[in-house]
Amino acid sequence: GDSVTQMEGPVTLSEEAFLTINCTYTATGYPSLFWYVQYPGEGLQLLLKATKADDKGSNKGFEATYRKETTSFHLEKGSVQVSDSAVYFCALSPLGSNTGKLIFGQGTTLQVKP
Amino acid sequence: EAGVTQFPSHSVIEKGQTVTLRCDPISGHDNLYWYRRVMGKEIKFLLHFVKESKQDESGMPNNRFLAERTGGTYSTLKVQPAELEDSGVYFCASSQETAWAQETQYFGPGTRLLVL
Repeated sequence: GDSVTQMEGPVTLSEEAFLTINCTYTATGYPSLFWYVQYPGEGLQLLLKATKADDKGSNKGFEATYRKETTSFHLEKGSVQVSDSAVYFCALSPLGSNTGKLIFGQGTTLQVKP
Repeated sequence: EAGVTQFPSHSVIEKGQTVTLRCDPISGHDNLYWYRRVMGKEIKFLLHFVKESKQDESGMPNNRFLAERTGGTYSTLKVQPAELEDSGVYFCASSQETAWAQETQYFGPGTRLLVL
């Protein structure tokens, strides 16, 4: 079945460091791909998405490119801030499904220190 | 515009008891989803409502779980009787799009359930 694998955390970085959180997926065809973020005490929020191969999603300085050849959707940010500390979830929505259910990875906790 | 709200925020119950979780989606959103995250693992899909109808309930773990969405507005998720392995965070999400594979789902803050 479809699945998402994320790099294990926690990831601890200093402010202004470069961030990469790896995400790979297994799916039939070309699903839509998402990054959701959960800040402390809040619900999940959509960070960015890509709906077809080679698309790049971007938001708040974060980017991720849909790579079909490597079945990956790695999240990157050039310079993290303390306010980026959160849990990041990679997810996919299966193509051709009769439902919009999301399949999530296990989440990666990011802690940014001043 | 109010976001997705969930009640209660926390619930601690004993094994064998019943708990009912409530979700109020964003007004006008026909799609409502329930998910669960157990013990820091991945978030898993439970079911999907379109208005008051169950579009997909393939993720419901067993018949101790009952979800309803009367009138197509708020939804409840009842666990009866609760077991230890039901502990986790239950998320609700809603959306208004019909292109499900590309939609943005809006999540509530979750209900943290602990079964002792």
